[in-house]
Amino acid sequence: DQQVKQNSPSLSVQEGRISILNCDYTNSMFDYFLWYKKYPAEGPTFLISISSIKDKNEDGRFTVFLNKSAKHLSLHIVPSQPGDSAVYFCAASVRRNKLVFGAGTILRVKS
Amino acid sequence: GAVVSQHPSRVICKSGTSVKIECRSLDFQATTMFWYRQFPKQSLMLMATSNEGSKATYEQGVEKDKFLINHASLTLSTLTVTSAHPEDSSFYICSARDFTGGPGDTQYFGPGTRLTVL
Repeated sequence: DQQVKQNSPSLSVQEGRISILNCDYTNSMFDYFLWYKKYPAEGPTFLISISSIKDKNEDGRFTVFLNKSAKHLSLHIVPSQPGDSAVYFCAASVRRNKLVFGAGTILRVKS
Repeated sequence: GAVVSQHPSRVICKSGTSVKIECRSLDFQATTMFWYRQFPKQSLMLMATSNEGSKATYEQGVEKDKFLINHASLTLSTLTVTSAHPEDSSFYICSARDFTGGPGDTQYFGPGTRLTVL
């Protein structure tokens, strides 16, 4: 049972444009959500997080939006840069417990 | 801040041998560390949760006698793959939870260890 889903396996965006990565979840008990960026043969790097009591969190070029009623969150990257090309994982947890990861979305930013 | 290291980064061993992987939190204390495994083109799968000074909690389907976890200090956890076989070949990643300065329960990941069992 996949509790966290990233339905787009890949996304291609032109440099300077907005990248929107999506994530859906099924467990309504999740109260903390995170986005990680990962390069091949490396560990994930934390990008940004959001608590379930908020609907938006912004950090520089990265903004995460949470829609609890739709059980949906998204990561916006503006403007996209070639160095942003990587695999992006969303993850969720219940009461600061273990993280459940989505399958990941490969982002390619073309220059 | 919040740096996690892993050693070794890559190991090749013969079938039947044991391999130890170290995970260290370099600039913070981690009461909880996690061990994940990633197969090619797949997501990270949690293997076990390691709490300092107590026994690890293993996820369903993970053999605790095969994957020995020790969390002896607030900055070090080790994963030992005992009697490794080719099917244990994978990318193993640890993470540590930072309660001292990060946003609550963010996990910071090590760079991973590529294990190849011949």
